Amino acid sequence: AQSVTQLDSHVSVSEGTPVLLRCNYSSSYSPSLFWYVQHPNKGLQLLLKYTSAATLVKGINGFEAEFKKSETSFHLTKPSAHMSDAAEYFCVVSPGDSSYKLIFGSGTRLLVRP
Amino acid sequence: SQTIHQWPATLVQPVGSPLSLECTVEGTSNPNLYWYRQAAGRGLQLLFYSVGIGQISSEVPQNLSASRPQDRQFILSSKKLLLSDSGFYLCAWSEGRPTNEKLFFGSGTQLSVL
Repeated sequence: AQSVTQLDSHVSVSEGTPVLLRCNYSSSYSPSLFWYVQHPNKGLQLLLKYTSAATLVKGINGFEAEFKKSETSFHLTKPSAHMSDAAEYFCVVSPGDSSYKLIFGSGTRLLVRP
Repeated sequence: SQTIHQWPATLVQPVGSPLSLECTVEGTSNPNLYWYRQAAGRGLQLLFYSVGIGQISSEVPQNLSASRPQDRQFILSSKKLLLSDSGFYLCAWSEGRPTNEKLFFGSGTQLSVL
């Protein structure tokens, strides 16, 4: 069965410092992996996706994620946090069986201190 | 450009009352449509999806139902709300399967059942 685990429910960083949001997945298939971001009281927006091409994926707003099969990880990073990055981030895995269902992690709330 | 509208933004309903949440998409034809629920501190759970008018797939047995009376209209309903139906409901659409095409989300409805 497919699953995704976001290791931190909350991450707090200072503005201008690096961001690391951790995600581990479990999948019987070659997975497709995504990161979505949700700003307060808003819908979700796709940040980036991995679909078996390059293992380092670049997304919007300076975020990137690296697919590491040996570690079953897909951590999200950004070199320098901005106040506008404060939001909730969801790691998502697809079952890989042409399903319409995506498996969402429980989310990581990113706080950015001035 | 495509837009998705979801209303109302907030709703407070007594236990046992009916529910109707509406979602419409503009600027595209024959979208795949989805209803997700987000419980506090948890990830998103897919409730229903639809690949065409009158075609509804249910992912989780529950007190809710969905309908798609028009190509770009998706409705979430209940005849009698339960306390456990409280949560943040998100409508979304995609052009293809969400493993290949990104999901576009509405701004959500915060439902409180009292």
